Amino acid sequence: EVQLVESGGGLVQPGRSLKLSCSASGFTFGDYGVSWFRQAPGKGLEWVGFIASKSYGGTTQYAASVKGRFTFSRDDSKSVAYLQMSSLKTEDTAVYYCTRPYRGIDAHWGQGTLVTVSS
Amino acid sequence: DIQMTQSPSTLSASVGDRVTITCRASQSISSWLAWYQQKPGKAPYLLIYGASSLESGVPSRFSGSGSGTEFTLTISSLQPDDSATYYCQHYNSYPYTFGQGTKLEIK
Repeated sequence: EVQLVESGGGLVQPGRSLKLSCSASGFTFGDYGVSWFRQAPGKGLEWVGFIASKSYGGTTQYAASVKGRFTFSRDDSKSVAYLQMSSLKTEDTAVYYCTRPYRGIDAHWGQGTLVTVSS
Repeated sequence: DIQMTQSPSTLSASVGDRVTITCRASQSISSWLAWYQQKPGKAPYLLIYGASSLESGVPSRFSGSGSGTEFTLTISSLQPDDSATYYCQHYNSYPYTFGQGTKLEIK
């Protein structure tokens, strides 16, 4: 069974950094890319970005709203993907989800982790 | 970026009703469209991909249609468990974008 578990969320001050993790199990992690989405409280869903598998060069794509501030990485030996967030803004407050996409389709989602950016 | 527009924003219907939600893309996305159901406090749940393909395990009362810029999600006979917010999402090209959501309430 495919399982994704996000962790690392919490309360952080504006301008600071935070690193989220997405731990995967139930499949060969290195064969798949990882997507990240977020949802601000009471709002809709937003695509944050994507990191490809190593066989596709580990290339990354970022939403304009986070480009230059957020960085994706992965450790295939640990089956973990990371989202490094820096220069955080209050508008980054959201539940962050990771997914395992296949042919662009996000059928498997984690439970999400809440990031609150506030002073 | 491709804009996705859903209608209606809210919908109230009775058990057994046929319900339709519409999603419009600002440019052609072929059939690169997915529909998700989301309940409060939960992650989105994939219902439909490729505009009309039913995800495994999803009840057959859910169906999707359309291509290009106009798409619909239909629930043929509404059940109490269908109370949720529904989102369309294109995956034609980056950045992927979502419709604003349709909140479906059961009368």
